[in-house]
Amino acid sequence: DTGVSQDPRHKITKRGQNVTFRCDPISEHNRLYWYRQTLGQGPEFLTYFQNEAQLEKSRLLSDRFSAERPKGSFSTLEIQRTEQGDSAMYLCASSPPGRETQYFGPGTRLLVL
Amino acid sequence: GNSVTQMEGPVTLSEEAFLTINCTYTATGYPSLFWYVQYPGEGLQLLLKATKADDKGSNKGFEATYRKETTSFHLEKGSVQVSDSAVYFCALNPMEYGNKLVFGAGTILRVKS
Repeated sequence: DTGVSQDPRHKITKRGQNVTFRCDPISEHNRLYWYRQTLGQGPEFLTYFQNEAQLEKSRLLSDRFSAERPKGSFSTLEIQRTEQGDSAMYLCASSPPGRETQYFGPGTRLLVL
Repeated sequence: GNSVTQMEGPVTLSEEAFLTINCTYTATGYPSLFWYVQYPGEGLQLLLKATKADDKGSNKGFEATYRKETTSFHLEKGSVQVSDSAVYFCALNPMEYGNKLVFGAGTILRVKS
């Protein structure tokens, strides 16, 4: 396994700009999760996919956030009209069919100025 | 609801000291319990897990026992090394639809030589 990869690792943007992050899960992992981690806190669930279907979204995911997993492989998380409160680490995780253990990527650290 | 409470850090120990990081949880069902570790600049790595009461998870000298009667999953290691310096997260999977994880706030461990 090559592990979960995320791109970019760091992103600095100005308030009001749109940003998009990419996550490549471990091959053949059918579930993909997005979490957000702010400084000094544990990760909080945002959304998850089973194959290409987005099955649940947290209340944390405002209308400015959208996630896709078009072919059931990689996923993108877009934030529109970024706000300073969006500054956080965005973590992606994947898990294989029938297994609960989630494997995390290195995260994308977003700073909104 | 589902929640995880960890002891506040930072925890500072000398090399070869005994480590305990307390973790207690609240869950509506029968969760699985996890410890993840996050080294500086890296993503979360699964350290150990336990899926039912009285199970003991272990890895790399770390251990934790699933105690249903005290709703606890304390992390222990008999002799810490400088390389164990990291942030440790306790998490639960409530075994509800989606298997999304609920994390504690994390405990910073610093080991001095």
